Amino acid sequence: AQKVTQAQTEISVVEKEDVTLDCVYETRDTTYYLFWYKQPPSGELVFLIRRNSFDEQNEISGRYSWNFQKSTSSFNFTITASQVVDSAVYFCALSEARRGNNAGNMLTFGGGTRLMVKP
Amino acid sequence: EPEVTQTPSHQVTQMGQEVILRCVPISNHLYFYWYRQILGQKVEFLVSFYNNEISEKSEIFDDQFSVERPDGSNFTLKIRSTKLEDSAMYFCASRGRGFNSPLHFGNGTRLTVT
Repeated sequence: AQKVTQAQTEISVVEKEDVTLDCVYETRDTTYYLFWYKQPPSGELVFLIRRNSFDEQNEISGRYSWNFQKSTSSFNFTITASQVVDSAVYFCALSEARRGNNAGNMLTFGGGTRLMVKP
Repeated sequence: EPEVTQTPSHQVTQMGQEVILRCVPISNHLYFYWYRQILGQKVEFLVSFYNNEISEKSEIFDDQFSVERPDGSNFTLKIRSTKLEDSAMYFCASRGRGFNSPLHFGNGTRLTVT
């Protein structure tokens, strides 16, 4: 069974601080995908990144960076120089890589980390 | 950029009533999903749908729930007889061809059962 754990339920930082959101996952599959989604106060889910299990290269996109470590089953997310607009709940998620026409691609979400960035 | 649209944004209904939540997935997408998020909790998978049939469903998706793609563009979730515990945000999602393509979520419908 798949499981995603985000141990930090809530983090509060002051603007311009760097912050890392932790994500640890469990799966028996050798091929899988990891995701991060942002849920701002308005409630929608905004896709941030997808990473497949064969690609351990870290990724940077502007102020966002992701550190995938297969050895520790972690996929952590860092925001550099945080801004008030980064305040949101961030979800880490995992899906198996299924082949075939009926690929469910079910996402298992972590419990989310609420990030509050204060001015 | 194309997006998944959901209507209504907020629906209030009385316990025991039927509700239909509507979604228009991205037009060239082939796989469709419903997820649910009870207030303050994690997002949970309900059901996936492909080729006009359910591919997979969770234990939450019991006989009270059904999905339909009635006209090739809409994708609906029906709850036959709502319960208080059905109050949640319901998200529709779709994805394109390729098992590794990401899910695109709609903005959600907040369902309140009184």
